[in-house]
Amino acid sequence: AAGVIQSPRHLIKEKRETATLKCYPIPRHDTVYWYQQGPGQDPQFLISFYEKMQSDKGSIPDRFSAQQFSDYHSELNMSSLELGDSALYFCASSYGLTSGGGADTQYFGPGTRLTVL
Amino acid sequence: AQSVTQLDSQVPVFEEAPVELRCNYSSSVSVYLFWYVQYPNQGLQLLLKYLSGSTLVKGINGFEAEFNKSQTSFHLRKPSVHISDTAEYFCAVREAAGNKLTFGGGTRVLVKP
Repeated sequence: AAGVIQSPRHLIKEKRETATLKCYPIPRHDTVYWYQQGPGQDPQFLISFYEKMQSDKGSIPDRFSAQQFSDYHSELNMSSLELGDSALYFCASSYGLTSGGGADTQYFGPGTRLTVL
Repeated sequence: AQSVTQLDSQVPVFEEAPVELRCNYSSSVSVYLFWYVQYPNQGLQLLLKYLSGSTLVKGINGFEAEFNKSQTSFHLRKPSVHISDTAEYFCAVREAAGNKLTFGGGTRVLVKP
């Protein structure tokens, strides 16, 4: 079965640069969620989108922005990168918002490993 | 707000021995519970979930978990582990009416031959 696709899988940037991470949800899934997993830490929720609208927001820095496009893929844009942004960034998807009872499970992609030097 | 505590950060276990990973949660509202596994350098894979109904939940790869509401626990078990079960296991909760998954700190399972 098709899974969540994330690109790139690995990304190396310098401090103060920008980065764009992409997420392609499972076909027919209309909801995406972004999580950040720092080294040795558990994943932390950043933001979610349903039908191209932001549906929930977690601990996402102001330097980060995200959007969901008409084909339901999502992009996480990160500017003025800091060393502390080095992490594994996961995207998950579902069919319908979990908060709305439309879905109960978030399916995760393989993640993008961002290294900031 | 909810929180999740995984009581063991590392669990070494011999092949074919049983394993139990402990998870306790706190929440003031109704929650759903999940166990995810993360193999080295890979993403999170859903092992099993509890939404409602029977408190004993069976998942993939021979894992099962039991929801105990009075003890606010959702411990994961496998009667006989394989080398391939070496991974990090995350317990997670989500408000029944929410979007955000809250994860525990993870338990690293190392299966020894």
